[in-house]
Amino acid sequence: EVQLVESGGGLVQPGGSLRLSCAASGFTFSRHWMTWVRQAPGKGLERVATIKEDGGETYYVDSVKGRFTISRDNAKNSLHLQMNSLRAEDTAVYYCARVRGGSWYGDMDVWGRGTTVTVS
Amino acid sequence: LVLTQSPATLSLSPGERATVSCRASQMVDTLLTWYQQKPGQAPRLLIYDASTRATGIPARFSGSGSGTDFTLTISSLEPEDFAFYYCQHRGSFGPGTKVDF
Repeated sequence: EVQLVESGGGLVQPGGSLRLSCAASGFTFSRHWMTWVRQAPGKGLERVATIKEDGGETYYVDSVKGRFTISRDNAKNSLHLQMNSLRAEDTAVYYCARVRGGSWYGDMDVWGRGTTVTVS
Repeated sequence: LVLTQSPATLSLSPGERATVSCRASQMVDTLLTWYQQKPGQAPRLLIYDASTRATGIPARFSGSGSGTDFTLTISSLEPEDFAFYYCQHRGSFGPGTKVDF
């Protein structure tokens, strides 16, 4: 079964840090771009960060540039999001998702259940 | 690029036809995707490349359009179709349309 499972969310004070992880299974992780999408309470979806299959390219939404770092470990089938200098507006459910197709802007065909980050 | 959706809320009954619109602020060819999201759940890929149903998506869901104007149609609403629907192009998502009854 193709599956993504996020972990690492929690309550953190403004200015603090968190590291989110996503464990992938059921597919060849190293062949897919991967992305993090977040959803603030009662709001829509926002694509936060995306990483190429080999980790050689990364893309970020402007609001997190310089604060968040996306990375991956293909040997362990895992995706990560290091979040520093957290702000109240980073409060959201963070979803890990697989990108369909071979480009950063592809749509997302597999999603995890999400992990909640609260900055307060 | 900005995606706008209309209406914000669509109030219908089971068996009725639902039509959700998405407009892009610039031409996107057919690179437009639709997702469904139910409360407390992750989004689910419905339609990609404007009109291709994703694996396992029922035939009552269809997508159309190209350029800047796109439509998601649910031909006959089932109870499980009452949800939020989002369009997406590259890094941008539309604000969502709630289909409820």
